Amino acid sequence: NAGVMQNPRHLVRRRGQEARLRCSPMKGHSHVYWYRQLPEEGLKFMVYLQKENIIDESGMPKERFSAEFPKEGPSILRIQQVVRGDSAAYFCASSAKHGQSQETQYFGPGTRLLVL
Amino acid sequence: DAKTTQPPSMDCAEGRAANLPCNHSTISGNEYVYWYRQIHSQGPQYIIHGLKNNETNEMASLIITEDRKSSTLILPHATLRDTAVYYCIVRAVMGGNEKLTFGTGTRLTIIP
Repeated sequence: NAGVMQNPRHLVRRRGQEARLRCSPMKGHSHVYWYRQLPEEGLKFMVYLQKENIIDESGMPKERFSAEFPKEGPSILRIQQVVRGDSAAYFCASSAKHGQSQETQYFGPGTRLLVL
Repeated sequence: DAKTTQPPSMDCAEGRAANLPCNHSTISGNEYVYWYRQIHSQGPQYIIHGLKNNETNEMASLIITEDRKSSTLILPHATLRDTAVYYCIVRAVMGGNEKLTFGTGTRLTIIP
């Protein structure tokens, strides 16, 4: 059973370009979470999505960042007009959910974004 | 989610048991204690979680005090590959906040 997959693993962009990060959840998981880790810091929650719905985006910057989780295909975290401060590791996690009970989140290997 | 407090760093000799403490004195009745670790900037790895009973799996044991205000993660026979940052996280599981709130964790170094 494959784990959470993220691609690309490394991404280099120049300032002003767009970055697209992809996350394929574990088989059977319909909940996706994105976290960001700045250098030498802990992970910070960004957004929580279910299929076709954004449930909690309280950690997302108000501008330039967006996320989606379409009915078919991976979840996408999109960063427009990247700046150097966006350089970080972006981790995706997925979980199942049964009734009102949240299940354990399992993380992918991350995408390291470097903005030149 | 309740705040947790962990020592910033610990050392443990290879082959010995590593005991990582965590304080969560404001934990609520519906909040679980989760442990993750992050090895050298890889994705966080789930270790174990529990509510009030002690738990054990193939990776570790989790001991939660009777008042639930603190817990200890035990790695029974530490190896060099257990060197990592360990995060203790308190999280509501029933209809609560879905996100994980990571603190600064404990940087565990296994000494050969």
